[in-house]
Amino acid sequence: QSVLTQPPSVSGAPGQRVTISCTGSNSNIGAGYNVHWYQHLPGAAPKLLIYGNTNRPSGVPDRFTASKSGTSASLAITGLQAEDEADYYCQSYDSSLSGSLFGGGTKLTVL
Amino acid sequence: QVQLLQSGAEVEKPGASVKVSCKTSGYSFSSHGISWVRQAPGQGLEWMGRISTHNDDTNYDLKFEHRVMMTVDTVTRTAYMELRSLRSDDTAVYYCATEGEELEWLEHWGQGTLVTVTS
Repeated sequence: QSVLTQPPSVSGAPGQRVTISCTGSNSNIGAGYNVHWYQHLPGAAPKLLIYGNTNRPSGVPDRFTASKSGTSASLAITGLQAEDEADYYCQSYDSSLSGSLFGGGTKLTVL
Repeated sequence: QVQLLQSGAEVEKPGASVKVSCKTSGYSFSSHGISWVRQAPGQGLEWMGRISTHNDDTNYDLKFEHRVMMTVDTVTRTAYMELRSLRSDDTAVYYCATEGEELEWLEHWGQGTLVTVTS
């Protein structure tokens, strides 16, 4: 199982705000390694949403924000839209694994 | 623009090997490493490993290190991932992706290659 723990699912109505947590440990997020977030729509390639804990690539709406504190990180989506319905993954480096790893993923449902 | 074009779907028998290619364009190939990520049916994303396009150094996830080989051809700007001793649970979509920085975020992704392992 993943050592980055995400809730399996979250949901919200259009226009609302939701957050997705990513809980790690002292060998990854807590050790100061960066956290990155991806959006994965069915049948498509994953898309980089946030890199370096808080940075949005060009073209990603500012409705998507992220933060990191201690051994955890979180992704917030405001003004939910139907098109936001997707799977979301956090990613970080783990020193005990000497490699990168993904969280288990969170399915966002827009009600 | 940056493009990563992967090879087509493969069907293999248990015990066989598969080699997936990832042809890149639109950026400085030697400036960004390439990671490989897979997603089995109904499962999440799984990082398999990465290769430096600058010096061919590799980092493999412990789960795959005895069965996987990642290589690059700098002339054709193509990355390859070979997985040996295939099992049914290797059935997955395999993605290549460029690294923003070494062992950091994955910036641009290929379209994915479905590998089906079945007898």
